[in-house]
Amino acid sequence: QLQLQESGPGLLKPSETLSLTCTVSGASISTSHYYWAWIRQPPGKGLEWIASHYYAANTYYNPSLESRVTISVDTSKNHFSLRLRSVTAADTALYYCARNTYYYDSSGVYQHPASFDYWGQGVLVTVSS
Amino acid sequence: DIQMTQSPSSLSASVGDRVTITCQASQDILNYLNWYQQKPGKTPKLLISAASTLETGVPARFSGSGSGTDFTFTISSLQPEDIATYYCQQYDHLPTFGQGTRLELK
Repeated sequence: QLQLQESGPGLLKPSETLSLTCTVSGASISTSHYYWAWIRQPPGKGLEWIASHYYAANTYYNPSLESRVTISVDTSKNHFSLRLRSVTAADTALYYCARNTYYYDSSGVYQHPASFDYWGQGVLVTVSS
Repeated sequence: DIQMTQSPSSLSASVGDRVTITCQASQDILNYLNWYQQKPGKTPKLLISAASTLETGVPARFSGSGSGTDFTFTISSLQPEDIATYYCQQYDHLPTFGQGTRLELK
């Protein structure tokens, strides 16, 4: 059974770098044919997609966050990570990792992220001085 | 970015009611539209993909329809366990979510 578990510091100061890890069990990130994604939800607000990564291939980023975000994968630990630089109070949110299906566009060549079908429980990150 | 506008933002309904939520895309997204349910304090759950495909195990009282820019999510007979916030999400190129519809019991 697929499970995802987020981990990382819960409190950051403005201008610091947020670093979170999502450990996947029940599937291999490097051999399963899925994207792996980060999504966040500010307290009491809606969902915001951050990025989706396909191992050793494509990464798609939310344009509003792209300049500050990096996704990486550690296959030895079967986990993927999020780094978000220069955080502010606006980055305070519950951060989820998720498995992300994909589809091919009309060219039949390019993959695009589609549905988020398995989610971690989320980790709350607060940015405060 | 493709903007998704959900309506209403909240609604109250009684057990047994038919509930309808709409989602409008800022441009044609074909049928690249999902619906999620998020119960209070819980993780979002994918209910419907590709506008109308019910995920495995999701009760048949849930349904989705639409294509292009206008989509509808329906609960045919509201049950107490359906109280949640519902989100649409488009995936024509980069994913974006609607702002959510909070469903409460009347």
